[in-house]
Amino acid sequence: NAGVTQTPKFRILKIGQSMTLQCTQDMNHNYMYWYRQDPGMGLKLIYYSVGAGITDKGEVPNGYNVSRSTTEDFPLRLELAAPSQTSVYFCASSKPPTGWNTEAFFGQGTRLTVV
Amino acid sequence: DAKTTQPPSMDCAEGRAANLPCNHSTISGNEYVYWYRQIHSQGPQYIIHGLKNNETNEMASLIITEDRKSSTLILPHATLRDTAVYYCIVSHHQGGSEKLVFGKGTKLTVNP
Repeated sequence: NAGVTQTPKFRILKIGQSMTLQCTQDMNHNYMYWYRQDPGMGLKLIYYSVGAGITDKGEVPNGYNVSRSTTEDFPLRLELAAPSQTSVYFCASSKPPTGWNTEAFFGQGTRLTVV
Repeated sequence: DAKTTQPPSMDCAEGRAANLPCNHSTISGNEYVYWYRQIHSQGPQYIIHGLKNNETNEMASLIITEDRKSSTLILPHATLRDTAVYYCIVSHHQGGSEKLVFGKGTKLTVNP
């Protein structure tokens, strides 16, 4: 299985440009997450989704939008890129936290630079 | 904010046990303790989790104190490939709102 796949792996954006970071998972997980990680820091939750059609804000949602039209896909949209959004973005998925099995699986990240 | 406190860095000799501490003094009764690690800016990798009993799997052991205010992740025979940032996270399973909140973690360096 591919697990969690993120595209692109790298991207350079100019200030004010827009882009969509793609994330797809093939594990039929209901829960999906977007995190960002700035240099030397831990991961910060941007948005998460507990199922198709349901999304909610995390710790740092400003400047981002998400949608969840299918179980598999959870794209992250940057509308007006700013230098403060230069970061590494990680997508993750997990089963609903029922019982014991709640391991989250992470993608390999998208390294975004805004200049 | 993260609900856990970890030392920023630790060193361990290859082949020896690595014991990584975590303080979570405000943990509530329905919160689990999770450990993840991140190797060289890759995506984080799940290691182990527990509620109140000690847990062991093929990667590590998790020792949780009786009052649940702290825990220790044990890598029994550390190798160079275990060099990574280790994150201790507390998370609750409540109404489907589980979220993992990462702190800065512990940078473990395994030395030859």
